[in-house]
Amino acid sequence: QVQLVESGGNVVQPGGSLTLSCAASGFTFSNYGIHWVRQAPGKGLEWVAFINYDGSKKYFGDSVKGRFTVSREDSKNTFYLQMNSLRAEDTAVYYCAEDVRDSSGYGLLDYWGQGSLVSVSS
Amino acid sequence: DIQMTQSPSTLSASVGDRVTITCRASQNIKNCLAWYQQKPGKAPKLLISKASTLETGVPSRFSGSGSGTEFTLTISSLQTDDFATYYCLQNFGYWTFGQGTKVEIK
Repeated sequence: QVQLVESGGNVVQPGGSLTLSCAASGFTFSNYGIHWVRQAPGKGLEWVAFINYDGSKKYFGDSVKGRFTVSREDSKNTFYLQMNSLRAEDTAVYYCAEDVRDSSGYGLLDYWGQGSLVSVSS
Repeated sequence: DIQMTQSPSTLSASVGDRVTITCRASQNIKNCLAWYQQKPGKAPKLLISKASTLETGVPSRFSGSGSGTEFTLTISSLQTDDFATYYCLQNFGYWTFGQGTKVEIK
């Protein structure tokens, strides 16, 4: 049973930094990548970032490019989203979601964690 | 970047109604389109991938169609459990969600 558990959400001041973790279980960690998706209060879903199965490919949405980074630690079965230069508009619930390749090889967001709330406020 | 335009933003319907939600892509995305259902306070759930492939365990009243730039999600007979917000996601060029459609009780 695939399980993803996010942690690290907190209240942080504008301009500050925060790192979210996504602990994974129930699948062969080294074979899969992860997506990060966020949802501002009362708003829709926004794709944020992706890291592939071996960490060689990392992609970011335009709104976070240059400020956020993603990484993975295979020994701990954990993915990370490091967020720098945080702004009020980064306030959201952040989800991690397992990347699963469909039959044509395109990445799909399959299993999701429960989310972690990040609030950027002075 | 590929933009996704989803409509309507809100849909009022009754149990038993046939419901259709549309997503339009800003360029040809072949059949790289998925549909998700999200209930308040919960993570999204994958319903359909590759525009029309129903995920395991998803009721057959859900169906998806389309290719290229225009896609639809249809619920043939709306049930109480289906009142939720639905999102499309293109996975052809990076990933982009539609704005969402809230299906509410009429």
